[in-house]
Amino acid sequence: GENVEQHPSTLSVQEGDSAVIKCTYSDSASNYFPWYKQELGKRPQLIIDIRSNVGEKKDQRIAVTLNKTAKHFSLHITETQPEDSAVYFCAATVFGNEKLTFGTGTRLTIIP
Amino acid sequence: GAVVSQHPSWVICKSGTSVKIECRSLDFQATTMFWYRQFPKQSLMLMATSNEGSKATYEQGVEKDKFLINHASLTLSTLTVTSAHPEDSSFYICSARVGLGSNQPQHFGDGTRLSIL
Repeated sequence: GENVEQHPSTLSVQEGDSAVIKCTYSDSASNYFPWYKQELGKRPQLIIDIRSNVGEKKDQRIAVTLNKTAKHFSLHITETQPEDSAVYFCAATVFGNEKLTFGTGTRLTIIP
Repeated sequence: GAVVSQHPSWVICKSGTSVKIECRSLDFQATTMFWYRQFPKQSLMLMATSNEGSKATYEQGVEKDKFLINHASLTLSTLTVTSAHPEDSSFYICSARVGLGSNQPQHFGDGTRLSIL
């Protein structure tokens, strides 16, 4: 089955700097890659997603890049703000499969 | 749009009690809903996939007689933890998928924190 690895597990960034979180997946048939942000005790919120027919997607300060050849995708957050502090999860789903496979999460801390 | 409501948000009960958790898609129809369990500081672990009008598909190691799932309508799925014990204490979260196809987004409920005494 699909396996998703996520790095780093923790990340501290000075406010205003950029943060990058990376994930790799194992199944080349994966075709959908969402990113979720989860604040303590709250629901995971979908912040951006990308499908396999696209290499990059951007939404204001957030961008995701996908390299299908290398089977990895990354989340980029620019001009970080204190409210960006949370746990971020990447995920992948294989074409024809119902379920998402999640990475282990990255705890992002923005230092004021 | 794409709001998922989950109730209750917090349950504390005695060992041996059965607990029902509801997951509703408020502004869309969800053919498929998912139930996850999350331990502190860990990732989301899929327990089962719930399809409207059919039996749920459970992940390996999840006891189907322990965690009963019913998806009777396109907007409601329920998870019943039967005869709950302290080891069942956890954060349970549902999600609902918008549209058909594995490349469609899932949106999550607020979760239910279950504590079994």
